[in-house]
Amino acid sequence: DTAVSQTPKYLVTQMGNDKSIKCEQNLGHDTMYWYKQDSKKFLKIMFSYNNKELIINETVPNRFSPKSPDKAHLNLHINSLELGDSAVYFCASGKLGTDTQYFGPGTRLTVL
Amino acid sequence: DQQVKQNSPSLSVQEGRISILNCDYTNSMFDYFLWYKKYPAEGPTFLISISSIKDKNEDGRFTVFLNKSAKHLSLHIVPSQPGDSAVYFCAATASGTYKYIFGTGTRLKVLA
Repeated sequence: DTAVSQTPKYLVTQMGNDKSIKCEQNLGHDTMYWYKQDSKKFLKIMFSYNNKELIINETVPNRFSPKSPDKAHLNLHINSLELGDSAVYFCASGKLGTDTQYFGPGTRLTVL
Repeated sequence: DQQVKQNSPSLSVQEGRISILNCDYTNSMFDYFLWYKKYPAEGPTFLISISSIKDKNEDGRFTVFLNKSAKHLSLHIVPSQPGDSAVYFCAATASGTYKYIFGTGTRLKVLA
């Protein structure tokens, strides 16, 4: 009964490729987030969607495109992958206006 | 620009003793603060939070203290247990922004 799930857990790919990471939550939350944790362990917000609408878009390259087909899903598509994209990407969900976010297990992306 | 800082990357404590994890912030607009705990290969899990209208919040063995004038908060774990060994992240948000800023984490090791 995983609350927030991400696939794949590990992703190894070549520079220049396009890849997607999927996220699903079964908590009935209306808000979903993508975070990036880089090699320095900074956990930085990238995007947030509320009811399928984008509400937060940090200064992320436009090679990153989130897509929310419904409230329970927020996928992250990355075009033309670069070495610097290597990181752990966490999906999270929560109720807008509340404090608690529930995180997925993370996807470790390695770009060679 | 690190708005939330955890200056101690690691901390070791004997089982049964108190663990004190510290966090400093710079943005005076932050009015809600959270602590998350993270085990390896898992996403962060919510532990405890505090609103800026309070200076202390307690939940079982965990207590968070907030000193607004010093822009400092701390997490106390008493008594510490080996299962508390994890990375602890401090996070802050300003009401209405829906954006959470995380510190870089402190790795706590509780020695049996």
